[in-house]
Amino acid sequence: DGGITQSPKYLFRKEGQNVTLSCEQNLNHDAMYWYRQDPGQGLRLIYYSQIVNDFQKGDIAEGYSVSREKKESFPLTVTSAQKNPTAFYLCASIGGKRGYTFGSGTRLTVV
Amino acid sequence: RKEVEQDPGPFNVPEGATVAFNCTYSNSASQSFFWYRQDCRKEPKLLMSVYSSGNEDGRFTAQLNRASQYISLLIRDSKLSDSATYLCVVSGSNDYKLSFGAGTTVTVRA
Repeated sequence: DGGITQSPKYLFRKEGQNVTLSCEQNLNHDAMYWYRQDPGQGLRLIYYSQIVNDFQKGDIAEGYSVSREKKESFPLTVTSAQKNPTAFYLCASIGGKRGYTFGSGTRLTVV
Repeated sequence: RKEVEQDPGPFNVPEGATVAFNCTYSNSASQSFFWYRQDCRKEPKLLMSVYSSGNEDGRFTAQLNRASQYISLLIRDSKLSDSATYLCVVSGSNDYKLSFGAGTTVTVRA
């Protein structure tokens, strides 16, 4: 079955360290997205990509970076410039009018 | 004004009850509307799309009111397993960027 795979499920980051969250999809979707969710809050858009080798900043892009070298892959790097990275990170893709399909998420904690 | 606003609840209802809640959106050009369900510490999952004529999926009924710019979700004969947070999701100027409400929490008690 097609879907989105995020890894790792849990990630611990030390202060000042960059970490990369993986997102892979085999749905043949063009558009992919990264969201952040904080406890009791809605999803906030970090970055999105509608096509390979192109991506746009979302509402909270500062301290994050992405790449889209392949259609299937959209990794997110949380840099040391992101001062409050502890959150639940969700990757999603979209196929036309059928809404998003989400990965199972990565829970990032700063230690 | 937020693009999508929801009553956060919580709505605490007994098993078998009917519960309904709304979501308002600010972009009159929005074309696509969805309800997602999110369980604690899990990813959101599509519950149902919302069509202009309203639509039903088992015990769930969704309605769209374009004039007043809101969508609604009604759950009949609530089950314990319906306890979750329900996210309202609305498209922007195109179908490739969706906006999320913060969610409405429903708790069904025995």
